[in-house]
Amino acid sequence: EAQVTQNPRYLITVTGKKLTVTCSQNMNHEYMSWYRQDPGLGLRQIYYSMNVEVTDKGDVPEGYKVSRKEKRNFPLILESPSPNQTSLYFCASSSGQDSYNEQFFGPGTRLTVL
Amino acid sequence: QKEVEQNSGPLSVPEGAIASLNCTYSDRGSQSFFWYRQYSGKSPELIMFIYSNGDKEDGRFTAQLNKASQYVSLLIRDSQPSDSATYLCAVESGTASKLTFGTGTRLQVTL
Repeated sequence: EAQVTQNPRYLITVTGKKLTVTCSQNMNHEYMSWYRQDPGLGLRQIYYSMNVEVTDKGDVPEGYKVSRKEKRNFPLILESPSPNQTSLYFCASSSGQDSYNEQFFGPGTRLTVL
Repeated sequence: QKEVEQNSGPLSVPEGAIASLNCTYSDRGSQSFFWYRQYSGKSPELIMFIYSNGDKEDGRFTAQLNKASQYVSLLIRDSQPSDSATYLCAVESGTASKLTFGTGTRLQVTL
């Protein structure tokens, strides 16, 4: 089954404790993105990647890191989480090769930083 | 800052009526436009895309694009209670992975 998976689905942590949210897709997509979703602010792009070892900042990159060492994986790293990073996070992937660019979203990770 | 604006709603329509959802965008260079549906607690799913001026129909859904007015809309005919969700407008500018989303319009279809 074609899908984007994220782990963990739920996470409660404390300020300053480094964490990684994993994202994996099995569709051989070149493009991958991370978004956060907050009430009243909608979905905002954190980082995106156009291929292995190619990443770029989205609209709200501060406090986050990403890496793309393999095509299928695109982990999101919070080196020192803060309460304002409490949010719902989505990973997405797309092929980027069609005439349109459908993004397939993972199930989401709800993060709470105390 | 590229912006995508939507009325947050809720937009309430009776079952069987037409729901009209609207979206405006600020970047004139935008090339592709998407409507995603998001049920509460779930991830967004694509329902329509459009990149040429005019109308595009797919079943009960019609997307309308007017690039001169920087306006894109989604019409849902014969609205069903299962259409109750938040509808997100997304605009692609430049790279294929760079989408800007609106805040979404919550649609309620009443019995």
